[in-house]
Parts: sequence; C-alpha cells; structure tokens
Amino acid sequence: SQQGEEDPQALSIQEGENATMNCSYKTSINNLQWYRQNSGRGLVHLILIRSNEREKHSGRLRVTLDTSKKSSSLLITASRAADTASYFCAPMNTGFQKLVFGTGTRLLVSP
Amino acid sequence: NAGVTQTPKFRVLKTGQSMTLLCAQDMNHEYMYWYRQDPGMGLRLIHYSVGEGTTAKGEVPDGYNVSRLKKQNFLLGLESAAPSQTSVYFCASSIGGRGYYNEQFFGPGTRLTVL
Repeated sequence: SQQGEEDPQALSIQEGENATMNCSYKTSINNLQWYRQNSGRGLVHLILIRSNEREKHSGRLRVTLDTSKKSSSLLITASRAADTASYFCAPMNTGFQKLVFGTGTRLLVSP
Repeated sequence: NAGVTQTPKFRVLKTGQSMTLLCAQDMNHEYMYWYRQDPGMGLRLIHYSVGEGTTAKGEVPDGYNVSRLKKQNFLLGLESAAPSQTSVYFCASSIGGRGYYNEQFFGPGTRLTVL
C-alpha cells in the first residue's frame, strides 16, 4: 500500500470559484481514488480513475491523472459552501491494497 | 439500505476500562475495516477483515482486538483503554479488495474519549 500526498494542505476560495487540489504518489498504480470528508463525518467516495485513463468527470468534479509525473488533480468547478470539506486521495497498486490516507486538503468555500 | 452503521456514536471511558464498538453493514460486503482519526491527521488503519471469520492487522493494531463472527458485523474491542486511544473511530466496508471493488463505504464514526 502507498500513501498519497495532497497539496495544498488548505485552500480558501469564494463560492462560484473553481478549486484545484493535487495528489502525488511514489510508485506505479492500478487506480487512484478521491474521497471527501465533511467535518466530523465519515469519508465519502467521490471518484476512481484507472491508470489507463487521463481524465474523468463526475458532475462538477474533474479528475486528471498523469502517470508519468505520478500525480493526480481534482478540480471542483463552480464551488458551493457545501463543498467545504477535507479531500483525500488514495493511490492503489494491483492486488488487494489497504487504503492509506494522508492528511488531505482542507477546502473552505465562503459564501 | 442503512449502509454502514456504528454504535455507539459517543463514549467516555476511564483508563483501564474496556468496551466494544460495533460496526454493521447491510450491503453484503466481504471486506470490512476499522480506522482511527486523530486531530490534524489522516485515517490510520487499525484492523481489517477480508471475509467472515477472518481478521488481519493494519497500521496501528496495538491495544485493539477485532472479531468478524458474522459477515455483516465487525467488532472492535479495547480491553484496557488508555488516553492515547482517545480518537474518532470509523468503520468501512467494501465489496472486495481490488479495483472498483475497493471503493470503501464509511460509517458516521464513534467519538471516544479516555480519561
């Protein structure tokens, strides 16, 4: 199992703006998952991108993956106050992997 | 479907006391996990199970025991609680352990304070 490192640690934006957060990892992966955690609650799975995919969309979320740079980015467009949360990435190798979470990116969206 | 549920939601223990946290899932998932989350830190895996009757150690297993007697339940036990075990505990489950099947569904958490 490997841990992703999210960057920046904290991000503060206004409603309606876009938010971009990044994830870097060290060894080759099979897929990479993004999770969101609202304050005091459990994590919620947002999106999974496979190693042979470069970009994936889900609603206002856009995830990119650059395996040559061992990095992924999560873009939230037209952000809302309800997007205020911590966001975690989880890079996964082949075979059974235990998810290993870093400290995440704390996003604050102000009205 | 209720998804993943955890009981209790809150608990205060004195040092040396014991307790059991219960996790239940109604999605027929094979894999279940217990994590702890401390302030300013990510989640750390305590123990996990890849099927009924199986358990395995995670990152931080010391001071905890687990049991998976039924597929839908995963119990986390603290035999002699210590202040260092003050944390928020999350249970999760997944269909399997590979690819899409490793998408994890989380419970709402149990906030445990050990005095």
